[in-house]
Amino acid sequence: AQSVAQPEDQVNVAEGNPLTVKCTYSVSGNPYLFWYVQYPNRGLQFLLKYITGDNLVKGSYGFEAEFNKSQTSFHLKKPSALVSDSALYFCAVRGGSSNTGKLIFGQGTTLQVKP
Amino acid sequence: DAGVIQSPRHEVTEMGQEVTLRCKPISGHDYLFWYRQTMMRGLELLIYFNNNVPIDDSGMPEDRFSAKMPNASFSTLKIQPSEPRDSAVYFCASSLMRDQPQHFGDGTRLSIL
Repeated sequence: AQSVAQPEDQVNVAEGNPLTVKCTYSVSGNPYLFWYVQYPNRGLQFLLKYITGDNLVKGSYGFEAEFNKSQTSFHLKKPSALVSDSALYFCAVRGGSSNTGKLIFGQGTTLQVKP
Repeated sequence: DAGVIQSPRHEVTEMGQEVTLRCKPISGHDYLFWYRQTMMRGLELLIYFNNNVPIDDSGMPEDRFSAKMPNASFSTLKIQPSEPRDSAVYFCASSLMRDQPQHFGDGTRLSIL
């Protein structure tokens, strides 16, 4: 069965410091991986995706994510955090061997960036 | 470009009443998804459609919930009768193709008293 885990409920970083939001997954076949961000009272917004190719994926707003097959991880990163990055972040996975369009979302990680 | 449009944005109603949530996907998108978000259970997929046909409704909690997509530009999620435990934020999302990003509406915040 497909699953995704975000081991941290909250991540706190100072503005200007690098940030990492962790995600691990379990799927059959090659995974299709996504990161989304949710601001208060808004729907989720797509940040980036990995389907195949380079292990380092670049996305919106300066975010990037590193796919690591051996560790089954897909951590979200940004070299220099902004206060405006404070939001709820979701990792999602779809099994590559499946014909389903269904994404499995993690529980979410709240990112708090302090000035 | 208009994104996914959901209505109403807020709904407060009494237990036992029928609730209908509406969604207009982005034009040209073949996939439509209904999600429910709560603090306790996180984000759950309820049902999704491809080309107006329901593909996976395994997340629909019980027979009180039903969803339809009569055409490519409109979908409804209905709860009848509603219960307090149905209180949540319900999101609709659409995507162009199966592995393309899903675009979310801003949700309907539902409160059942």
